[in-house]
Amino acid sequence: GDSVTQMEGPVTLSEEAFLTINCTYTATGYPSLFWYVQYPGEGLQLLLKATKADDKGSNKGFEATYRKETTSFHLEKGPVQVSDSAVYFCALTRGSYIPTFGRGTSLIVHP
Amino acid sequence: KAGVTQTPRYLIKTRGQQVTLSCSPISGHRSVSWYQQTPGQGLQFLFEYFSETQRNKGNFPGRFSGRQFSNSRSEMNVSTLELGDSALYLCASRVGLDSVTQYFGPGTRLLVL
Repeated sequence: GDSVTQMEGPVTLSEEAFLTINCTYTATGYPSLFWYVQYPGEGLQLLLKATKADDKGSNKGFEATYRKETTSFHLEKGPVQVSDSAVYFCALTRGSYIPTFGRGTSLIVHP
Repeated sequence: KAGVTQTPRYLIKTRGQQVTLSCSPISGHRSVSWYQQTPGQGLQFLFEYFSETQRNKGNFPGRFSGRQFSNSRSEMNVSTLELGDSALYLCASRVGLDSVTQYFGPGTRLLVL
């Protein structure tokens, strides 16, 4: 079945550092790929998405490129701020469009 | 446009009780999905409703049920609560079954004592 694998957290960075959160997926065909962000005590917010290979999703300084050849959708941002501290979820949808989520990666940014 | 809203935001129940959670989707969205989020299991899909009919279902026991009304609002019910039902319950809406993007509400945090 479909699956999404994210790097284990927490990821701890100093403000102004560059962020990469790795995400790889297993799915047949051509899924759509997403990054969601969850701030403490809140639900998930859609951060960015890409629906076909080589597409780049971007929002609020975050970027991710849909790499079909490496089945990856790594999230990047530089530089990070304290306000970026949150849990980031990679997800894919295919077929019935019910998303398959990764386990989430916690990001902690220190001043 | 208002986002997905969920009520109540917090809830405390005791084992054996039942609970009903409510979700109002984004205006114009006709599909509503429910998820359970726990530290141990992550995000797990419960079910999805579209046009008042359950269209997809996850792997949860029959104690978990839902329904959708003609205005697309949805409710989720959990009967005979267990301690393990303590979780954040998230509702998500999308325009229709062929829409790839879901939009999530803030969640209802349920604590079962």
